[in-house]
Amino acid sequence: DQQVKQNSPSLSVQEGRISILNCDYTNSMFDYFLWYKKYPAEGPTFLISISSIKDKNEDGRFTVFLNKSAKHLSLHIVPSQPGDSAVYFCAARVGGTSYGKLTFGQGTILTVHP
Amino acid sequence: DTAVSQTPKYLVTQMGNDKSIKCEQNLGHDTMYWYKQDSKKFLKIMFSYNNKELIINETVPNRFSPKSPDKAHLNLHINSLELGDSAVYFCASSSRGGRYGYTFGSGTRLTVV
Repeated sequence: DQQVKQNSPSLSVQEGRISILNCDYTNSMFDYFLWYKKYPAEGPTFLISISSIKDKNEDGRFTVFLNKSAKHLSLHIVPSQPGDSAVYFCAARVGGTSYGKLTFGQGTILTVHP
Repeated sequence: DTAVSQTPKYLVTQMGNDKSIKCEQNLGHDTMYWYKQDSKKFLKIMFSYNNKELIINETVPNRFSPKSPDKAHLNLHINSLELGDSAVYFCASSSRGGRYGYTFGSGTRLTVV
């Protein structure tokens, strides 16, 4: 049973436009959410996170929105750049003594065209 | 200077063999992990060690055995390799229970033939 799902395997966007990547989760105990970016032949790198006590977190061109009632989060990239082309994973964590265990979605391939 | 390094990057081996993947981090993190990226691209946790102590052991066959000689190293040994073990294995580390995200290694692509 996959507790974190990214239902769009891929997304194609024109340079300069907005990219919106979506993620849904089923476990209401998740209290912290993260986005990772992965280039081919590299490990995922941490991008941005949000605590469940917030509904928005912004870092430069990247904004993460959390809708707890819908169990949905999204990552907005504005403006999109060709260098943003990568696989994006969302991840979630249960609080307490989880020792940082993250549950990941299956990723969305973002392609930004010049 | 690589923060989380794992070796080898590629590993091709025959069924039934025993192999090891090594992981080292120089970030001073107290928690290390092994994740497996399966054919459906999900990253699934296998093991987690906190200060050399096994904390998380997901439903993983006994053929997989992690070893943490110190908090900077977490190795993965796999006995009697099977075709289904073919995957990309990622090592990662974190501090403070992972609240600030993991730092991943670049992955080891294991192919069992």
